[in-house]
Amino acid sequence: ETGVTQSPTHLIKTRGQQVTLRCSSQSGHNTVSWYQQALGQGPQFIFQYYREEENGRGNFPPRFSGLQFPNYSSELNVNALELDDSALYLCASRPGGPGETQYFGPGTRLLVL
Amino acid sequence: QKEVEQDPGPLSVPEGAIVSLNCTYSNSAFQYFMWYRQYSRKGPELLMYTYSSGNKEDGRFTAQVDKSSKYISLFIRDSQPSDSATYLCAMKDSGAGSYQLTFGKGTKLSVIP
Repeated sequence: ETGVTQSPTHLIKTRGQQVTLRCSSQSGHNTVSWYQQALGQGPQFIFQYYREEENGRGNFPPRFSGLQFPNYSSELNVNALELDDSALYLCASRPGGPGETQYFGPGTRLLVL
Repeated sequence: QKEVEQDPGPLSVPEGAIVSLNCTYSNSAFQYFMWYRQYSRKGPELLMYTYSSGNKEDGRFTAQVDKSSKYISLFIRDSQPSDSATYLCAMKDSGAGSYQLTFGKGTKLSVIP
């Protein structure tokens, strides 16, 4: 177990709705990233938060937004859901330092109907 | 051309076989190379982490990086049924910005008893 937890585990929404996914980072980790993993694909980087500020973003539209809280937990919000947003959403945390790698949570599986 | 290419398989081997998994990449700025194992409907689990070129061994697993050929490999010796999973290669450049991993699509491995 990595110590990274995510909630909920599964979620079903309809097109046009909004969704919030939550992540609790591993203790001592001040950086959190979110990834989208479509079926049969590798994870794709959405964005990263460091000390409550977004400091990197992948090729995702603004309807994907996030927050990081002082206790380093995090949220991913997706507005105006589309069918293609159906995927496993992964949260990953890491401590500071240039060489440290990321540790992933179990993911939230989102289905958009 | 994708930045990271990985044969999705599926790859099926008998128990005890040596497994060879590999990825090629096009971005010469990649300096950090990782292999993750992902069981069905779970988050990726870090297996191996290497910096720049060379070999790294950990138990039955050996990771190799050849930066001149832009080619990385993961070898699994004495493969076990419990090794059946999807194996993802991931890479990162040495930039000081966000810790963004670029993944391959993953190779699905089945080890047959």
